[in-house]
Parts: sequence; C-alpha cells; structure tokens
Amino acid sequence: KNEVEQSPQNLTAQEGEFITINCSYSVGISALHWLQQHPGGGIVSLFMLSSGKKKHGRLIATINIQEKHSSLHITASHPRDSAVYICAVRPPTGNQFYFGTGTSLTVIP
Amino acid sequence: NAGVTQTPKFRVLKTGQSMTLLCAQDMNHEYMYWYRQDPGMGLRLIHYSVGEGTTAKGEVPDGYNVSRLKKQNFLLGLESAAPSQTSVYFCASRTTGGAGGYTFGSGTRLTVV
Repeated sequence: KNEVEQSPQNLTAQEGEFITINCSYSVGISALHWLQQHPGGGIVSLFMLSSGKKKHGRLIATINIQEKHSSLHITASHPRDSAVYICAVRPPTGNQFYFGTGTSLTVIP
Repeated sequence: NAGVTQTPKFRVLKTGQSMTLLCAQDMNHEYMYWYRQDPGMGLRLIHYSVGEGTTAKGEVPDGYNVSRLKKQNFLLGLESAAPSQTSVYFCASRTTGGAGGYTFGSGTRLTVV
C-alpha cells in the first residue's frame, strides 16, 4: 500500500511549456511537502503547505484538503527544471512523512 | 554553510562488514531522520530521533542501529552488511512545529557486494 500516489511517473516537456505534477494521498494530513531531487541525488525542499496555494518564482503549489490532492505547477519550464519531484505528507500525529515515488521531469530545449 | 552534512558520500562494503554513516547538522534542529531510497520506491524511513538521547524505529529498521549522543549528530550503523542494504541513504533534519520542512543531506551511496 502507498499512502501517497503521484502522477505522472515520467514527464517530458518542451522548454517553455506549463507543467503540472499531481499528488493524491489517502490519509489525513497536517502538512504536505514538495521536494526536488536533481540528478546526482541532492534533495531540496520546495514547499511546505497545509492549505491553499504557495508561489515561489515559476513554481506554484496548491492543495485541496477535502479532495486529498495537491498539484505542483511549473510555468515557463526550463531544462534546469529537469529533476525528480517528490510529494510527502505528514499525518496529524507522529513525526514522520510518507513519500511518493516521485515524478521524473525532463525538459528538453 | 548551514545545512546537513553526510559522510561518506560513497562506500563499497563486503557482505558481513560493518560501517557507520555520520549525519551532522548545524541548524539546531530537534528532529533527525535516516531514509533509504531504492529504485521505484519512495523514501523509506529507517530510524528517527526527536531529540538528543532519543531514537525510534521507522518503517524499515531491521539490520540498522542508530545513536544520537549529541543533538547535532545522528549516526546510522550497519553491524553486518547485506546486499539488500545496497541503497542510497539520506539523512534529514527539521525543526519542531507545523512549519518545519526537511533539510536533506546530499546522500550516501552504499553498495554491498
């Protein structure tokens, strides 16, 4: 069983395209985390949110608590956005997050 | 630079050998975690710690031990390495409270032959 499902698993886009990555979860949560993992392995925190919407540069994250769904959008995509994007959720109790398997994004020039 | 530092970055072990992975953070974070990442699977929690001197088991603790003798350090030990422990290991830390997102180390790629 996997508490967190991401779609698509793999995504190839042309530079400049608008990209959407989806995350659905089956448990109640207190927070949802979007992470970025570049080739070579480093993992970087992008957003932490529990409601509504957050924006940072060309990245936008939204969450719908009732529908147990979050989306990560990238506007005007660029080859440097190529990475694996990981969704993680934290239940209301406990200290750990549950992770999706990631969406591998490739942006081609 | 502030952050989470993992050592070593790469290691090859023979089956049955032991080793310790070190995670150090300088952000005064209370919580620290050890994850493993395998192809086709999400990050899986091995052990975690909510403070100095405390540790707890995660999702896949078998074959691993941990210690948090100092707040800034979280050690992951493999007493008798097995090929199934070939993986990439990530350490992470975070503050307490709802806004505390993760800061990850750069990972340790371990191969057990």
